[in-house]
Amino acid sequence: SQKIEQNSEALNIQEGKTATLTCNYTNYSPAYLQWYRQDPGRGPVFLLLIRENEKEKRKERLKVTFDTTLKQSLFHITASQPADSATYLCALAESSASKIIFGSGTRLSIRP
Amino acid sequence: DAGVIQSPRHEVTEMGQEVTLRCKPISGHNSLFWYRQTMMRGLELLIYFNNNVPIDDSGMPEDRFSAKMPNASFSTLKIQPSEPRDSAVYFCASSFQGDSNQPQHFGDGTRLSIL
Repeated sequence: SQKIEQNSEALNIQEGKTATLTCNYTNYSPAYLQWYRQDPGRGPVFLLLIRENEKEKRKERLKVTFDTTLKQSLFHITASQPADSATYLCALAESSASKIIFGSGTRLSIRP
Repeated sequence: DAGVIQSPRHEVTEMGQEVTLRCKPISGHNSLFWYRQTMMRGLELLIYFNNNVPIDDSGMPEDRFSAKMPNASFSTLKIQPSEPRDSAVYFCASSFQGDSNQPQHFGDGTRLSIL
């Protein structure tokens, strides 16, 4: 069956360290992978998109990797801050015309 | 710039009642999506529109759910009759062109509780 799996447990990181979140997929061949941030009581907010032919994408303190062999995307936040605490969702699509499927998210807490 | 606007933010009603959720997408976006989020099932796509036309409604759970987009600036999601298992947060999102290589912009959702 098709699955998108993110870190099942919440992630607790010390401020200043790098947080790494995992998104694994099964029985999908995604052309695009997106990462969103969701704060309590708010809708998801788009962060980054990476294409299947891209290995890595960066935006300020954020970095996303995409490994189609391992069927995995990693999301890194360097120099993490308490304000980075939120739930992070990965989402994939198999073509530009297909719908986006979301993972269940990973709750990240950065302690001061 | 105004983002996606949803109303109401919270709705509590008794089972059997009709519920109407509303969404105003970002001006200039021509694709609109309705999602439902629960702890058990995460974020699920219910239906999406492109240029006001429903393209994929395969996620609509059953005939009690219906959605309309009468014009480019307004959409409704209706549940009639409502049931307790419909309790969830319902999100509306919009994007330019609707391609999955475009970011989706979400509203802050309607938290629906059916008693």
